Amino acid sequence: EVQLLESGGGLVPPGGSLRLSCAASGFTFRNYIMSWVRQAPGKGLEWVSGISGSGISTYYADSVKGRFSISRDNSKNTLSLQMDSLRAEDTAVYYCAKDSGSESYRVLDIWGQGAMVTVSS
Amino acid sequence: SYVLTQPPSVSVAPGKTATITCVENNIGFKSVHWYQQKPGQAPVLVIYYDTDRPSGIPERFSGSNSGNTATLTISRVEAGDEADYYCQVWDTDRDHYVFGTGTKVTIL
Repeated sequence: EVQLLESGGGLVPPGGSLRLSCAASGFTFRNYIMSWVRQAPGKGLEWVSGISGSGISTYYADSVKGRFSISRDNSKNTLSLQMDSLRAEDTAVYYCAKDSGSESYRVLDIWGQGAMVTVSS
Repeated sequence: SYVLTQPPSVSVAPGKTATITCVENNIGFKSVHWYQQKPGQAPVLVIYYDTDRPSGIPERFSGSNSGNTATLTISRVEAGDEADYYCQVWDTDRDHYVFGTGTKVTIL
């Protein structure tokens, strides 16, 4: 069974740092683009960051560029998101998501259950 | 950049048809995907590549895309279809996934 399991969420003060992890299983992890998507309380979905299967290429939303860093360890089937200089507006549930791998389009076909990040003093 | 506009809410009686739109200029030239999100749960892909259904998604869910509007249609609506629905496209210029504003479907 294909599965994604996030960990590392919690409460952090403004300006602080937090590292999220996502453990993948049930598929050949290194073959797929992976992403982080967040959802602020009561709000819609916002794509945050993505990384190619090899880890060479990374992508960021303007709202987090320069503060967040995505990485992956294909030997451990793990995706990570290092979040620095956190702001109150970063408070959200953060989902790890897998791209389908299609050559023709980009779609997120598998999602984890999410990790809550709260930025507050 | 893309701004995918969806109606904030749609209400429908059981057994009827729910129609959710996703509007953006020339969206018909893009591949559009749809996600269902029930309260407290992660999103689930229900339609991809405009019209295709992942395995396990009922045939009651269908999609179309033309001109400036993509549409998710839920036929013979059931109580279990009550959820938020989001459209999504890929912004090739910026290598970004872009989500719609979301639509809350309420079953009357």
